[in-house]
Formats: sequence, C-alpha cells, structure tokens
Amino acid sequence: NAGVTQTPKFQVLKTGQSMTLQCAQDMNHNSMYWYRQDPGMGLRLIYYSASEGTTDKGEVPNGYNVSRLNKREFSLRLESAAPSQTSVYFCASSEGQNYGYTFGSGTRLTVV
Amino acid sequence: DQQVKQNSPSLSVQEGRISILNCDYTNSMFDYFLWYKKYPAEGPTFLISISSIKDKNEDGRFTVFLNKSAKHLSLHIVPSQPGDSAVYFCAASAVGRGAQKLVFGQGTRLTINP
Repeated sequence: NAGVTQTPKFQVLKTGQSMTLQCAQDMNHNSMYWYRQDPGMGLRLIYYSASEGTTDKGEVPNGYNVSRLNKREFSLRLESAAPSQTSVYFCASSEGQNYGYTFGSGTRLTVV
Repeated sequence: DQQVKQNSPSLSVQEGRISILNCDYTNSMFDYFLWYKKYPAEGPTFLISISSIKDKNEDGRFTVFLNKSAKHLSLHIVPSQPGDSAVYFCAASAVGRGAQKLVFGQGTRLTINP
C-alpha cells in the first residue's frame, strides 16, 4: 500500500515564485491535512479538509491556499514564496476522530 | 501559545535501559493523546495513543501514562534499543465534529547508546 504520497520530495524556489505541493492518499480517508515542520516548533497545522468539498484554516495559513480536488487529493499552493516558508511540509490523512494520522514522507522546500 | 510542550529537546539513554519522554499540555479540552516517532527524511509514524478515560496504555515495549490532573503524559520505552533512536512527538486533540486536528509538541530527539 502506498498510503500517503507527496510530490515533489525536494524543491528550491526563488522569492516570489509560485508552486503547488501535491498529496494523494489511497486509504479512502475522509480527512486530509497539511503541516509544516520547523526546528524547535514541532509540526504546525496550515490547512485541513474534514471531507471532500470542505477546507479550513489551521494555525499558520497565511501565504498558502489549498484545494481538495477529490477524496484522494489535497494540494497546497504557495502563490508568492517567501524565505519564511522554507520548511519541511507534511501531508497527512485520517479516518476520523481518535484514529490518528498517516503521514506522507514530506517535501523539503527552500526559498532563496 | 504552545498548547503542547515537550521541554526536553534531546535525551540520551543506554541500550537496555528505560527511556522516559515527557509531554505537558495546557488545554483541558484535549481528550485524546498520541505519540509519533520520526526518522530523518521520513514522515512521522504512529506509535501509541491513549484516551482521556484511561491513565495507562501498553503496547509491547511502549507504555504511555496520562496524568489528567497534572496535564502531563509520558512515554516509557523499556528496554531501549538502538532502533528507537529517533525524534518523538507527542500530540493531542479535542473531541469535535469533522476532522481530528492534532496539536503537536516540539519533539524530543532520543539517542540510544550501545
């Protein structure tokens, strides 16, 4: 089973460039999430989607947009990248309450 | 405002001994707690969880303890093995409709020395 697949694994952007991080899950989970991991900060929620057709802001949504394309796919877009968005981004999915998450392997993004 | 805190950035333990990782939380609405393990260049993987109606949950070498009055949980690994060397995150969520939003601590890097 693939679980949660993220692409790309690595990306370097120049300030002001845009890009979309892709995420797909094959577990038929309803909920999907985007987190960023920064040193000393743990994982912080950017956006989430409770179910197909819905999206909501998390703790650190500024500078990002998301699209829940269908039940499988949840993308994260940076419209105008900034050095402060240099981070490791993780996508996750879950069945529902009290089931925990399955994470993808992450995208390491550097904005120069 | 960090709702979930892991105050020890790192911990070093000898192989075969007990590893104890600690986590504190401030939000009394949290009712479900989890521990995740993360190796370099990989995503976090689920390790063990506990509901607020319990004070202990065991799974093999891993035991999680929850002290609701102190708003504190801990993960015990015994005996510790070299493969346990990783970053450990505690996480918490509150009951509600829809998605389960997890709030994570900063992580503790555990190193098991042979």
